[in-house]
Amino acid sequence: DIQMTQSPSSLSASVGDRVTITCRASQSITTYLNWYQQYPGKAPKLLIYAASTLQSGVPSRFSGSGSETDFTLSISSLQADDFATYYCQQSYTIPRTFGQGTKLEI
Amino acid sequence: QVQLQESGPGLVKPSGTLSLACAVSDGSFRSDNWWSWVRQPPGRGLEWIGEIFHNGNTNHNPSLERRVTISVDNPTNQFSLKLTSVTAADTAVYFCARRVPRYGHFDYWGPGTLVTVSS
Repeated sequence: DIQMTQSPSSLSASVGDRVTITCRASQSITTYLNWYQQYPGKAPKLLIYAASTLQSGVPSRFSGSGSETDFTLSISSLQADDFATYYCQQSYTIPRTFGQGTKLEI
Repeated sequence: QVQLQESGPGLVKPSGTLSLACAVSDGSFRSDNWWSWVRQPPGRGLEWIGEIFHNGNTNHNPSLERRVTISVDNPTNQFSLKLTSVTAADTAVYFCARRVPRYGHFDYWGPGTLVTVSS
């Protein structure tokens, strides 16, 4: 299985801050990397797919980059509703695997 | 707008079988998308269980493959999950989701349903 490792596991920030979350794959996944946002008790929401393509309707303050094994999710200016847990997911091969999550806290 | 909705018992006894269904709201069920199950134990991360295409082709997580059956019912736009020989470790919120084949991302999700394994 491809292991996905996110860092940090938790992150404290303030409204208006710029934050970056990192995701590392245990082997190359080219750009088959997706990012999700999840609130407690809710389903994940797709933010970015193919490493850097913003899903329709997602604010432009979210951006993704990377390839092969190293990827980042950046939020340029944190808003109140950005405080959630973020997951990366590889879609390069089966089984499809997720990172352990990064909890973004105020 | 695609909508997915999980349904099934919220409580299953140990060694029993967990059975869930996912209803898909629109005609995309027979499109080139895969229909997936993902679970999340309380307070933990996401685990992909498996997926099915409308023609019945499936892919499974090898860690669960011997216990998992995913099936499709095209006339009702539903797909189902059966997980046998459950233990407390199978207690989780179970989500159904649509996976877009080109880049493999899950673009639509059901709200999820909590299944507790307990006697």
